[in-house]
Amino acid sequence: DTGVSQDPRHKITKRGQNVTFRCDPISEHNRLYWYRQTLGQGPEFLTYFQNEAQLEKSRLLSDRFSAERPKGSFSTLEIQRTEQGDSAMYLCASSRGQGKLDYGYTFGSGTRLTVV
Amino acid sequence: GENVEQHPSTLSVQEGDSAVIKCTYSDSASNYFPWYKQELGKRPQLIIDIRSNVGEKKDQRIAVTLNKTAKHFSLHITETQPEDSAVYFCAARMGANNLFFGTGTRLTVIP
Repeated sequence: DTGVSQDPRHKITKRGQNVTFRCDPISEHNRLYWYRQTLGQGPEFLTYFQNEAQLEKSRLLSDRFSAERPKGSFSTLEIQRTEQGDSAMYLCASSRGQGKLDYGYTFGSGTRLTVV
Repeated sequence: GENVEQHPSTLSVQEGDSAVIKCTYSDSASNYFPWYKQELGKRPQLIIDIRSNVGEKKDQRIAVTLNKTAKHFSLHITETQPEDSAVYFCAARMGANNLFFGTGTRLTVIP
């Protein structure tokens, strides 16, 4: 296990198309996070899973965005009817935690989405 | 939610000098404060973190200080080297919730 893996690394899509990204966390990590990062900005929180349960969603996550983590392992993030404003780096992170105790995130390399 | 502000947005230092980056947070319940280094085109990588029960933590040339009363924390890099050049992000978290990130500081170490 070499860390958090994200696929694809790059995605170019036409406006209005649907896209899906995958994240494979570190195997023993029970928590998984999706963030979005635009140029010159810090990562912005999108959503968070503990095991298979989606515990929190940001207001940034419009109804065009949906995320799943069906078996508590890998996760997918789908964007429907993409818009140019969706162009960004989508980062996945995972961590190991229990209750309020958490051992810190490990980020994946991200999926860079370009909507043309 | 939490609001994290970070200053400065850019910082240039001569090799061997020290660099200091400062962050403030809004939620007094936040209890975990990591710092990430992100090189161009790469993932953010955790370089040091501090929990609210500690005022200072040091790891070789990197140190972080936390002032809970004032709700601010700082990253200190001593004896800077060109490979320290990157964007640095601070973050804050309350309990098991998600991290809130600052807007980043682009550090340039001039050889």
